[in-house]
Amino acid sequence: DAKTTQPNSMESNEEEPVHLPCNHSTISGTDYIHWYRQLPSQGPEYVIHGLTSNVNNRMASLAIAEDRKSSTLILHRATLRDAAVYYCILRTRATDKLIFGTGTRLQVFP
Amino acid sequence: GAGVSQTPSNKVTEKGKYVELRCDPISGHTALYWYRQSLGQGPEFLIYFQGTGAADDSGLPNDRFFAVRPEGSVSTLKIQRTERGDSAVYLCASSLMSTGELFFGEGSRLTVL
Repeated sequence: DAKTTQPNSMESNEEEPVHLPCNHSTISGTDYIHWYRQLPSQGPEYVIHGLTSNVNNRMASLAIAEDRKSSTLILHRATLRDAAVYYCILRTRATDKLIFGTGTRLQVFP
Repeated sequence: GAGVSQTPSNKVTEKGKYVELRCDPISGHTALYWYRQSLGQGPEFLIYFQGTGAADDSGLPNDRFFAVRPEGSVSTLKIQRTERGDSAVYLCASSLMSTGELFFGEGSRLTVL
């Protein structure tokens, strides 16, 4: 499975934008980029996914580099409830499972 | 229920005992996944069902671990002769189809003394 690299931790202040980076230099043409997050003592929850074009939903935006070797999850205005571990995952059509890394722990300060 | 339900939420057992963990997926979801998560780590894939059959069991660590989904809905993860290293949170997820968004339960925390 293609691997992703994320910073171990990041910090933000409340109501500021947060840009969470992810490198995936070995991505293949059929790999989708998925983001999940895990709040304390909960199971992971889906955030967003994309293939080539940038994507927006009610939770976040996903910006994908033109060469697809990196992507950025954007939280437009961080809240205290956004404090979580964020996982960037490549999901290939050849396999239906998600392989999680260690993710980025986001701390949000009031 | 509206979401994925896992029981028990907490299980404490002794080394060598047998344990069963249950997962009730969202109604109508055909795909079901089991993961386990140790402290400070991301979830580790164990097994994936499409309907009643195990489509991918490559993540099961050894033959002490087994999972079933006899009617294509509820699944049970079975662990024989538990070891202290089996202590973890066991997460279940379901999705409407194999390529769809995964919905996770809150997990079953297993502690082996």
